[in-house]
Order: sequence, then structure tokens, then C-alpha cells
Amino acid sequence: SAVISQKPSRDICQRGTSLTIQCQVDSQVTMMFWYRQQPGQSLTLIATANQGSEATYESGFVIDKFPISRPNLTFSTLTVSNMSPEDSSIYLCSAPAPSGLPYEQYFGPGTRLTVT
Amino acid sequence: DAKTTQPTSMDCAEGRAANLPCNHSTISGNEYVYWYRQIHSQGPQYIIHGLKNNETNEMASLIITEDRKSSTLILPHATLRDTAVYYCIVKVSSGSARQLTFGSGTQLTVLP
Repeated sequence: SAVISQKPSRDICQRGTSLTIQCQVDSQVTMMFWYRQQPGQSLTLIATANQGSEATYESGFVIDKFPISRPNLTFSTLTVSNMSPEDSSIYLCSAPAPSGLPYEQYFGPGTRLTVT
Repeated sequence: DAKTTQPTSMDCAEGRAANLPCNHSTISGNEYVYWYRQIHSQGPQYIIHGLKNNETNEMASLIITEDRKSSTLILPHATLRDTAVYYCIVKVSSGSARQLTFGSGTQLTVLP
């Protein structure tokens, strides 16, 4: 099974600053996904990151606030820009499983962000 | 994608079978039922999926009604480590991986 790691695992940041979250997959994948999980809530997709093209953002999420990089087939970053307390959430990345099943995905452990 | 309805929470005694229902009455013929779970402080984990036949793997069994309007995930011998939020997701299958849409899920608590 694929292993997905994220850095940092958690952080406490001041409002107005930015944090870049790293996601590393131990195998090459075409697509990677970034999700947000607000306190006590379910997961919400932020964007799909394809290698070699710009990320595709879901409704309610914009590139200026959540810029994403995808420099190669095993790595992606999500930046949370100009943070406010409302950005306090767990941010998770995921990637398709090697099985090839369309919706079988592996998830990273998440990055718990607290904005003060 | 079809909408799903799950109970907010359920309890189950350790060692007993946990039966988690999911209603997806608007499911269409080419939509699969996927189940994931999220243990506290971890990322979601794929459990099982099915189209119309019952499915079983090392983690669980999936029973889909004949009209496909509902399904039940069965954990045959629940343990304390099965305490998690369980998500039922209905998606059209495609040739490439696509994003998942998570609902509210069911919080399963396995009691000692």
C-alpha cells in the first residue's frame, strides 16, 4: 500500500501569516488531492493537483488563498495564505491507490493547523 | 452523484457484529457504493466498495439491496480499534481517480 506523509503534523500560526504544507507519496501518482476538515466536520475537497498543470479548485476555494504546487509525481504543497482563525482546520492530502480503482485513495495523516 | 443518508451515531459491543446502514435512494445504475472510515486523528481509510453484488474483504462485508437504494456495511467482530467515523460515498466509476465527496458519516463507538 502507498504511504503518504505530511509535514508539519501540526502548527500554531499567527493571523496574517502563511503556512506551507508538504505532502509526499512513496509512489508516482498523476493526481493528488487536498482536503480541509474543519473542527467537528467532514472533509471538504479544496483542489485537485495534477503534475504539469495548474491545480483545479473547488467552489469556495481560490488560488490566491490556497496556492498549490506539484513539481513532480510524488510531491505537492498547499499553502494557506494570510491566515485567519477561520482557517484553523486539519488539512489532508490524498492520492489514488495503486489498485487503479477510481475512488480508492490513500490519505496522509493530516496537518492540524491552529491560527491565533 | 447520489446523495447518501447515514445515522449520526451508533454503538456496538466489542466482539459483536456492527451493521452500519446507508440510504442512497437516488443512486443510478452506474454508481458504485464506497465505504471509508476515519479513526480519530488519522486520515480516512478505504474499506470496501460494490456495485450491486455483495462484497467481502478482510475488513468488512458490504450488503447492497436488490433495488440498490440502500446498503449495509458489516464489521463481523467489532473491536475497540474499529471506533471511527464511517462514510458511505456513492460515485460514478470512471477510468481515472477522482475526488471523493464526504458526507457527515456515522460515528461508530465500540464499547468494551
